[in-house]
Amino acid sequence: GQSLEQPSEVTAVEGAIVQINCTYQTSGFYGLSWYQQHDGGAPTFLSYNALDGLEETGRFSSFLSRSDSYGYLLLQELQMKDSASYFCAVRSRDSSYKLIFGSGTRLLVRP
Amino acid sequence: DADVTQTPRNRITKTGKRIMLECSQTKGHDRMYWYRQDPGLGLQLIYYSFDVKDINKGEISDGYSVSRQAQAKFSLSLESAIPNQTALYFCATSDLLSTGSTAGELFFGEGSRLTVL
Repeated sequence: GQSLEQPSEVTAVEGAIVQINCTYQTSGFYGLSWYQQHDGGAPTFLSYNALDGLEETGRFSSFLSRSDSYGYLLLQELQMKDSASYFCAVRSRDSSYKLIFGSGTRLLVRP
Repeated sequence: DADVTQTPRNRITKTGKRIMLECSQTKGHDRMYWYRQDPGLGLQLIYYSFDVKDINKGEISDGYSVSRQAQAKFSLSLESAIPNQTALYFCATSDLLSTGSTAGELFFGEGSRLTVL
């Protein structure tokens, strides 16, 4: 089976940098995704890492270490609109390649 | 128009009633999913389908059934709703041919909020 762990809440100040960690256990790993969800809204895709290293997309970056079963999402130059929940999700290398989600990290950005 | 459309967006029903949530997509994707979201529990996979003839159970399929009527349509049914099925339900799609940086991308509908009294 698969399991993912991420902190339940993180608070940061506008303009700062915040890192949201995710550790996972899976029987066959294929990649790690990150999603953002604002209250009452649909999850939206942010990034995907299949290989070790850092992927950068604007203010957001995502990192993966396959040997450590660990990844993180890095948000720079935080803005108030970044207040949302962030989910990591594992794509499993079994017959299904389905995505299994973590329970999410609620980020509160304060002025 | 949204690429992934869910109906109804909100529904209040009573225990024991049969409920169907519908999902249609215009993205041309083969893969479709139903997820359930409870506060603090993230997204849990109920069922998924990789084509019209392929239906698979997810993590929490008990009490639910699905039908893949066409490539573009995937419906979720609660045969006899119970209060602990009160949740936000999301339909999602993905592209079989996604590779590279978008390989882990799902496209979600806006959600269907179901309340069972």
